[in-house]
Amino acid sequence: NAGVTQTPKFQVLKTGQSMTLQCAQDMNHEYMSWYRQDPGMGLRLIHYSVGAGITDQGEVPNGYNVSRSTTEDFPLRLLSAAPSQTSVYFCASTDRAGNTEAFFGQGTRLTVV
Amino acid sequence: GENVEQHPSTLSVQEGDSAVIKCTYSDSASNYFPWYKQELGKGPQLIIDIRSNVGEKKDQRIAVTLNKTAKHFSLHITETQPEDSAVYFCAASFGGANNLFFGTGTRLTVIP
Repeated sequence: NAGVTQTPKFQVLKTGQSMTLQCAQDMNHEYMSWYRQDPGMGLRLIHYSVGAGITDQGEVPNGYNVSRSTTEDFPLRLLSAAPSQTSVYFCASTDRAGNTEAFFGQGTRLTVV
Repeated sequence: GENVEQHPSTLSVQEGDSAVIKCTYSDSASNYFPWYKQELGKGPQLIIDIRSNVGEKKDQRIAVTLNKTAKHFSLHITETQPEDSAVYFCAASFGGANNLFFGTGTRLTVIP
């Protein structure tokens, strides 16, 4: 049981480049979410999904797109990276009602230069 | 939205002593309060959580207390060990482990 798997672990982008951060879970969780972690600010919710085909915005959605075509996968897209998006990104999953704990991936450290 | 404040930002204790981390929240509708431990280079991992129908919960050396009237909750770690050294985050949400609002973290160092 792998839990929540994120790829890549590290990435350096140039301003204006695009990329997709991958997240997959094997726990059949309906709810998946993306957070970013910045120094001194804790984790902030970017986007979330309550099931395949359903996504919604969190606290800091600007500059990010998401889609959810399967229960297992929830990719996060940066269409035009900016230095302000330099951060550590975490994907999490839980059951739809939030009754189980939130399981987090190992994170992706993204640097935009 | 919810605003969670966490104190202190850093905490150093001698091995065997107790550590206490405190959080306050702003939204009275919040009803789920987890605590996460994050080790270097890893994702947050749940160590204990409490829901609003309970005032205290304990799991071995770890306990959490909740005061809904005052809108604050605390993490208590007794008999600290060097392996307890990590960053600890509190969080709050309405409706369970979805859409969590996190505190800013406490770096705990246990000195052998």
